[in-house]
Amino acid sequence: DAKTTQPTSMDCAEGRAANLPCNHSTISGNEYVYWYRQIHSQGPQYIIHGLKNNETNEMASLIITEDRKSSTLILPHATLRDTAVYYCIVRVASNFGNEKLTFGTGTRLTIIP
Amino acid sequence: GAGVSQSPSNKVTEKGKDVELRCDPISGHTALYWYRQSLGQGLEFLIYFQGNSAPDKSGLPSDRFSAERTGGSVSTLTIQRTQQEDSAVYLCASSLPGSSEQYFGPGTRLTVT
Repeated sequence: DAKTTQPTSMDCAEGRAANLPCNHSTISGNEYVYWYRQIHSQGPQYIIHGLKNNETNEMASLIITEDRKSSTLILPHATLRDTAVYYCIVRVASNFGNEKLTFGTGTRLTIIP
Repeated sequence: GAGVSQSPSNKVTEKGKDVELRCDPISGHTALYWYRQSLGQGLEFLIYFQGNSAPDKSGLPSDRFSAERTGGSVSTLTIQRTQQEDSAVYLCASSLPGSSEQYFGPGTRLTVT
């Protein structure tokens, strides 16, 4: 799996859009970008993933640059409940085998009231 | 629909005792993972089950750890002769086969005194 780089921490005002960057300059053509988050004292939560097109679901939007070397997770209207550690990982979507996850240090996002 | 459930949510045990942790995956998810997470640390993969295939036990830290999955659904993780270094949150996740979209349970916080 390609290595990713994320800022250690970020703050965002409640109600504003939270934009979390991730660099993955060594991403391969068949690797997807996945985002998970972990709220304090809870298990990790899948958010979204994408290959090259921008993706949106009920939780977030994922913007992937044209060269695929970086991406941004956007939480459009951040709430206090979005305070969590956000993990960006890149991996092949399916090896039809053990898809064990490995998280880096992630970005600790704090939503400020 | 129901998510992944784990029990107990908390377990305090004395050093040397055996413990059993239970995971109920999402119905229809044939892939099941056990991870553990020590305080402030990332995910540590333990074991992977997929359908009726032999499990991938490559992450189990010692022979005191074992897991089984009965009927392709519920799984139990057993730790024999617990040690203080076994203290951690034990997380279970399930997914469709070969998918990196894993859905985690709330975890079992194990404390060995």
